[in-house]
Amino acid sequence: NAGVMQNPRHLVRRRGQEARLRCSPMKGHSHVYWYRQLPEEGLKFMVYLQKENIIDESGMPKERFSAEFPKEGPSILRIQQVVRGDSAAYFCASSPPQGRTYNEQFFGPGTRLTVL
Amino acid sequence: AQSVAQPEDQVNVAEGNPLTVKCTYSVSGNPYLFWYVQYPNRGLQFLLKYITGDNLVKGSYGFEAEFNKSQTSFHLKKPSALVSDSALYFCAVEAGGGNKLTFGTGTQLKVEL
Repeated sequence: NAGVMQNPRHLVRRRGQEARLRCSPMKGHSHVYWYRQLPEEGLKFMVYLQKENIIDESGMPKERFSAEFPKEGPSILRIQQVVRGDSAAYFCASSPPQGRTYNEQFFGPGTRLTVL
Repeated sequence: AQSVAQPEDQVNVAEGNPLTVKCTYSVSGNPYLFWYVQYPNRGLQFLLKYITGDNLVKGSYGFEAEFNKSQTSFHLKKPSALVSDSALYFCAVEAGGGNKLTFGTGTQLKVEL
């Protein structure tokens, strides 16, 4: 069973360009989470999605950032008109639906975004 | 609002000695507590979790953690450290059933020969 897949692993963009980060959850997992890790900091929650639904986007910046998890295909985190402050590692995590036991989140290897 | 504090940026331990990485939390309601480890340029690997039940939780690679409700702590421990344990360790909490993890700032563990 492959783990959480993220691509690209490294992404370089110039200011003003768009960045698209992809996440394929583990097989059988229908919940996806995005976190951002700034240099020398812990991970900060951005958004929680289920298939075709955004459940919690309380950590998403109000502008330029969006996320989706379509019925088919990976989850996408999209950053429009990137700025240098967007440079960070972006981690995706997935979990199965929460049932009687709490299911931990499994993390992907991350996408390291560098904005020049 | 929930929060996690890891008071030590770095912990140094000699190989073979016991190690402790500290974590305290603040939540309203019952906490779900987690420890993850991050190796350089890698994602986070799950170590262990406390949801309910026994306060002492055993996890991967010989790690364990003790949930202390009165002290709101969830310290990570290992009886005998290995050089290969050197990594960045994160404590996280989730409360309220929202599936949103709040992470501490991380503790760099360095195990030396």
